[in-house]
Amino acid sequence: QLQLQESGPGLVKPSETLSLTCTVSGGSISSSSYHWGWIRQPPGKGLEWIGSIYYSGTTYYSPSLKSRVTISVDTSKNQFSLKLSSVTAADTAVYYCAREVGSIDHSIDIWGQGTMVTVSS
Amino acid sequence: SSELTQDPAVSVALGQTVRITCQADSLRSYHASWYQQKPGQAPVLVIYGKNNRPSGIPDRFSGSSSGNTASLTITGAQAEDEADYYCNYRGSSGDHMIFGGGTKLTVL
Repeated sequence: QLQLQESGPGLVKPSETLSLTCTVSGGSISSSSYHWGWIRQPPGKGLEWIGSIYYSGTTYYSPSLKSRVTISVDTSKNQFSLKLSSVTAADTAVYYCAREVGSIDHSIDIWGQGTMVTVSS
Repeated sequence: SSELTQDPAVSVALGQTVRITCQADSLRSYHASWYQQKPGQAPVLVIYGKNNRPSGIPDRFSGSSSGNTASLTITGAQAEDEADYYCNYRGSSGDHMIFGGGTKLTVL
């Protein structure tokens, strides 16, 4: 069964770039049926969709984060990655990687366990 | 920007029926998805498409929509249904996704 695992630093300094990687196991990231996305959740708050990528490299970003976000894919490693630049304390959150499914009604059917990232000096 | 509005908190007596709503700021061409999140855990998809349940989701969960409001109904709520519930849509331009603010469900 397909599983997703986030990895990356748990502490990032303000103004620096947050970098996370999601490793996909039990299935191929190159499937034409799915997009691969990032979602975050600040402590005690709700979910926020960050963006997603297709295996071909086509990306979709949240309008509110678009200027700071880059999502990339490495099909040879079955991984996709998130970079968020110029971070502030407001970017402190649990970051989830996930699989998006559906050609019309997109939904997120598989989630990683999440990784906490704290922005602090 | 697009917005989805959910009631922050809803309560239901054990075994009763509860409806959790998600109001969009405009009529949506797409169906909402619904997620259940328990403390310290990743969200779990419970409803997608017009009214579909992933494997393993009890049939007491159902989805519907009317106008610009999507609803998640739990018929015969159980103690284990106590959780936060989030709705989620594709954005109006179709190229991004948005989440509602979440509803905390308490089962009394």
